[in-house]
Amino acid sequence: DAKTTQPNSMESNEEEPVHLPCNHSTISGTDYIHWYRQLPSQGPEYVIHGLTSNVNNRMASLAIAEDRKSSTLILHRATLRDAAVYYCILRDQAGGTSYGKLTFGQGTILTVHP
Amino acid sequence: GAGVSQSPSNKVTEKGKDVELRCDPISGHTALYWYRQSLGQGLEFLIYFQGNSAPDKSGLPSDRFSAERTGGSVSTLTIQRTQQEDSAVYLCASSHSGIPYNEQFFGPGTRLTVL
Repeated sequence: DAKTTQPNSMESNEEEPVHLPCNHSTISGTDYIHWYRQLPSQGPEYVIHGLTSNVNNRMASLAIAEDRKSSTLILHRATLRDAAVYYCILRDQAGGTSYGKLTFGQGTILTVHP
Repeated sequence: GAGVSQSPSNKVTEKGKDVELRCDPISGHTALYWYRQSLGQGLEFLIYFQGNSAPDKSGLPSDRFSAERTGGSVSTLTIQRTQQEDSAVYLCASSHSGIPYNEQFFGPGTRLTVL
């Protein structure tokens, strides 16, 4: 499986934008880039996903590098509720070994200061 | 609408006992997954059911672990002869199908403590 690399932790102030980076230099052409987050004492929740183009939804934006070897999850205005562990995950659409399941790394612990 | 539910929310058992953990997926979701989260190992995949296909059991850590999904809906994860290292939060998720761009919806988990 292609692996992802994320910083262990990041900090932000409330109402400021947050850029969470993810490196995936061995990504294959059929891998989707997914982001999930896990709030304290809860199961993970889906945030966003993309393949090649940048994506926006109500929760966040996903910026994907042109060579797809890295991506950035953007929270436009962090709130205290955004404090969570953020996971960047690759999922193979071609039926590879990662098909179906999510393979979680260590993720990035985001701390948001009031 | 109703999300993924799991029961019990907490389970304390003695070493050597068997336990059953239950997952009720979102209605209509054909794919169901089990994961576990422990302090030492992070979040790890256990097993994946997709419709009537044979499940992907590649993540089960030993033959003490098994899971079934009856009628394409409810799933039960069974751990036989529990060991202390089985202590973890067991998470269930479901999705419309296993295709990689479908989001998975997670339940709140069952916290298992083996004494």
